[in-house]
Amino acid sequence: QTVVTQEPSFSVSPGGTVTLTCGLSSGSVSTTYFPSWYQQTPGQAPRTLIYNTNIRSSGVPDRFSGSMLGNKAALTITGAQADDESDYYCVLYIGSGVVFGGGTKLTVL
Amino acid sequence: QVQLQESGPGLVKPSQTLSLTCSVSGGSISTGGYYWNWIRQRPGEGLEWVGYIFYSGSTYYNPSLKSRVTISVDTSKNQFSLKLSSVTAADTAFYYCAGGSSVTAIPIAFWGQGTLVTVSS
Repeated sequence: QTVVTQEPSFSVSPGGTVTLTCGLSSGSVSTTYFPSWYQQTPGQAPRTLIYNTNIRSSGVPDRFSGSMLGNKAALTITGAQADDESDYYCVLYIGSGVVFGGGTKLTVL
Repeated sequence: QVQLQESGPGLVKPSQTLSLTCSVSGGSISTGGYYWNWIRQRPGEGLEWVGYIFYSGSTYYNPSLKSRVTISVDTSKNQFSLKLSSVTAADTAFYYCAGGSSVTAIPIAFWGQGTLVTVSS
């Protein structure tokens, strides 16, 4: 079974920049996997941030950006704010289905 | 603006079938190119895709759940549904319905608020 990998946790200082990545247990992520990114704060439903690698969903601040970084998809937060402290999940289209990464817990401190 | 709302029993007994419905408002469930997903999240854990039904009626399920899952659509009610059979405590989770679009290659564009289903006798 294909496993989508993410860093379990990451820390960033307020105002800083952080890049979270999304890889595969075997093989490389490419744009053909149409990577997307989701933010979830405790007790809330997830929110869609980025789709199709680098397209921001409606209403998402431009401090969030998506890209490819080597053989992984990446989510970069520039100028991190306290309310960016959340869990971040990537999703890849694999075959005819969808696979979530395990999520990255981002701490802003 | 499409909005989704899950409904169904919050408590299901072991070995029984979990049944949830997602009501779609602000748009038609029959709109071409849309996926209608179910996603779950066990308490304290990550998100897990359960499956989706395409606007055409085709279904795709998580291989790990495939033998127990059925997703269907009721276009007359603008709803889609999830059935998960032979449940155990491991199926206790928040269940989210969500919509996506194959046209824009976004598997999950908008989300319901989620509903907690507990499996317990």
